[in-house]
Amino acid sequence: KQEVTQIPAALSVPEGENLVLNCSFTDSAIYNLQWFRQDPGKGLTSLLLIQSSQREQTSGRLNASLDKSSGRSTLYIAASQPGDSATYLCAVGHDYKLSFGAGTTVTVRA
Amino acid sequence: DAGVIQSPRHEVTEMGQEVTLRCKPISGHNSLFWYRQTMMRGLELLIYFNNNVPIDDSGMPEDRFSAKMPNASFSTLKIQPSEPRDSAVYFCASSHTTNTGELFFGEGSRLTVL
Repeated sequence: KQEVTQIPAALSVPEGENLVLNCSFTDSAIYNLQWFRQDPGKGLTSLLLIQSSQREQTSGRLNASLDKSSGRSTLYIAASQPGDSATYLCAVGHDYKLSFGAGTTVTVRA
Repeated sequence: DAGVIQSPRHEVTEMGQEVTLRCKPISGHNSLFWYRQTMMRGLELLIYFNNNVPIDDSGMPEDRFSAKMPNASFSTLKIQPSEPRDSAVYFCASSHTTNTGELFFGEGSRLTVL
């Protein structure tokens, strides 16, 4: 069974600092990895999708890397803003199933 | 596109009542998923449909839960009878393909069973 771990569970940084969110998974036989953002009381918003053949994806201030061999992915958010405050979830795809981490709750202080 | 649309957004009911949650996936998507999110267990996959056919319902907690997808643009998740432990946020999500498709979530239906 795929286990997905996200450390730390919570993170507080001052505005402007770069964010580094970690995700690790136990089974490297994955099809893709997806990073989501969830605001309180809202659904999950897809941020980045990395296919298993890719090493990274970038969108604006966001960059996600994938190292299948070590079972790790990292989400970088450059120059954080208060609007980046949310919970970020990592999900690992195998066949049709996504296995989710518990998320990292980020607070960006103005 | 309007995205994945779920209704109702909030539902408060009493134990023993029937609950029906509804989902309209993104047009053109052929895969639909129902998830449940709780603080204790995080996100759990309940059931997965591909081309309107249930492929995996192993995550459905028990016989009180049932799901249908009568056509490509509509799905329901029904709980009968409901119990307090069913209180959670239920999400519907859809994608264009199964293995490589990006998953899009609805806003969720928050269910409270008293």
